[in-house]
This record gives sequence, structure tokens and C-alpha cells, in this order.
Amino acid sequence: DTGVSQDPRHKITKRGQNVTFRCDPISEHNRLYWYRQTLGQGPEFLTYFQNEAQLEKSRLLSDRFSAERPKGSFSTLEIQRTEQGDSAMYLCASSLGQNNSPLHFGNGTRLTVT
Amino acid sequence: AQSVTQLDSHVSVSEGTPVLLRCNYSSSYSPSLFWYVQHPNKGLQLLLKYTSAATLVKGINGFEAEFKKSETSFHLTKPSAHMSDAAEYFCVVSLYSGAGSYQLTFGKGTKLSVIP
Repeated sequence: DTGVSQDPRHKITKRGQNVTFRCDPISEHNRLYWYRQTLGQGPEFLTYFQNEAQLEKSRLLSDRFSAERPKGSFSTLEIQRTEQGDSAMYLCASSLGQNNSPLHFGNGTRLTVT
Repeated sequence: AQSVTQLDSHVSVSEGTPVLLRCNYSSSYSPSLFWYVQHPNKGLQLLLKYTSAATLVKGINGFEAEFKKSETSFHLTKPSAHMSDAAEYFCVVSLYSGAGSYQLTFGKGTKLSVIP
């Protein structure tokens, strides 16, 4: 399967701990996106990379959140000092570099902060 | 500003009957529009997309959607529902946000239930 893969699928952590998620996009895709989805809501944009450059960040992305894509391939999303409000599904997606290419999503990482 | 409104949070149909999931958008420019489906504990899968070509767009699994500019609508339809269609459906509008970037805005989703 050469789709978008995310790791881990589930993460349970205690409030105040740091967590890191990984996303491996489809290999020929140079755009990579992170979204957050809470229960009963559609996905909300967090940030976006074109190759290794982080081109856009949402206001939802507080200073406790950081994302990297060091070699323009896989990406990591780190949340420091987690809060209960961070509990959500974190979705990664990738696309080709053409405008309006559809996004291909991974199965997400479900974070529960206790 | 752009936005997308899915008019029904939950739609229930009987197996074999038509499906209609409604979506309206607001946009100052010609948008690109998508429908995605999400099965439980899965990522989102693209059903179909409209990018200013034919106004009637055919997608996977027998779904189609019609872009109506005068009504600012992009409703999703299927002639006959299958049990496997039970899922959450998201209408998405995409607009150019500058510097080569496109911003996707998702609707809140419509949960489709299919009754045997």
C-alpha cells in the first residue's frame, strides 16, 4: 500500500506530556498538510508544507504545536505540554504540486489527553 | 471569505433508494469543490471534484454531484443507496489563498445512515 501512512494510530497521554506524530506521504507528492478533527466537526487546517518549506500555519496552531518536514519527505507534528483540549484526530494529507490537486489522507492519529 | 454549509447533519435512507446530500458554498471567486467520504476510524477518501470543467461530475461508487453557480450549490447524489455507503460525507471548497497556496475549507459533515 503506497498511500499516506500515519503513526501511531492511537496515543493516550497525560496532560502536560509531549507527544510527536509522524506522517509519511505518498512518495511523489511534494505537498503535505496537517489537519485536526474533533467529534462532529469537519477537519480544520493546521499547517502545510511545500517540500521542506512550511508555507502556511493556521491560527489554531498555538506555540505549543510545531511541525517539521526536514527532508521534504516525512513530517512530524509535536505537541508540547498537552492539554485536554488537544484531544482530537490528527490527519495528515499529501498532494501533487499542481494547483487544486486532490488531497490524499492518511487514517489519522487519535490523541486522547487524560 | 469562503465557507461551506452542509444543510443536514444526518440523513437516513433505505437501501436501494436515492441519496441526496446537500451542500451550499459562498465564495467571491470561482471555487473548486470536492466531496470526501470518511468511514469510521478511517481517513478521508476523495469521491469526486469539480474544477470548472463539466458542471455534472461523476465520482466513485456511483456518486455524482452537480455544480450550480446560480444556486451556489454542489449537492451529492446517488440513485440507489447500498449498505456500504453508510459513512460521514464532507463537502469541501478550495480557494487560492496566495503564494501558490490553496486553502481548503471543510463543511461540518453529513452522516449518512442506510436502513436495510
